[in-house]
Amino acid sequence: AQSVTQPDIHITVSEGASLELRCNYSYGATPYLFWYVQSPGQGLQLLLKYFSGDTLVQGIKGFEAEFKRSQSSFNLRKPSVHWSDAAEYFCAVGTGANNLFFGTGTRLTVIP
Amino acid sequence: GAGVSQSPRYKVAKRGQDVALRCDPISGHVSLFWYQQALGQGPEFLTYFQNEAQLDKSGLPSDRFFAERPEGSVSTLKIQRTQQEDSAVYLCASSIRRAPIYNEQFFGPGTRLTVL
Repeated sequence: AQSVTQPDIHITVSEGASLELRCNYSYGATPYLFWYVQSPGQGLQLLLKYFSGDTLVQGIKGFEAEFKRSQSSFNLRKPSVHWSDAAEYFCAVGTGANNLFFGTGTRLTVIP
Repeated sequence: GAGVSQSPRYKVAKRGQDVALRCDPISGHVSLFWYQQALGQGPEFLTYFQNEAQLDKSGLPSDRFFAERPEGSVSTLKIQRTQQEDSAVYLCASSIRRAPIYNEQFFGPGTRLTVL
């Protein structure tokens, strides 16, 4: 069965600092991997996705993520965090069926 | 509008009441999804439509939950005899093509249901 683990419930970083949000997945084949961001009162917005090819993928808002098959990980990174990045971040895996399986999310707080 | 819209944004129901939640997907999007997001959790899949056909309803938690998309555009999620455990945010998403995993799902803002 597929599953997604986001081990960090809440992360606090200073504005301008680098960020890494962790995501580990469990799936028997090559997964389709996604990162979404959810701001209060807003719908989920896709940041980036990985299907195949280059394991380092670039997304919107300066985010990137790296797929590491050996570690079953798809961590999200940003070199310099902005106050507007404060939100909830969800990692998700698509298995080729019709739906996405989401992790429980990581809430990011950005302090001045 | 340009995005997925949902109504109402907030709904308070007494236990035992029936509720209906509406989703207006992006015009022309073939695929439509419903997810349930409990407090502090990630969204969980409920059901999937391709046009008017409900192809997957494996995530519906009980027979009190029913979804329809009769004309292949607007969708309604109905919950009968609501229970407190139904309290959650219900998210709707749409995708342009029929192979949804390969394409971005665009999410609405959700309907927050509170059952007293």
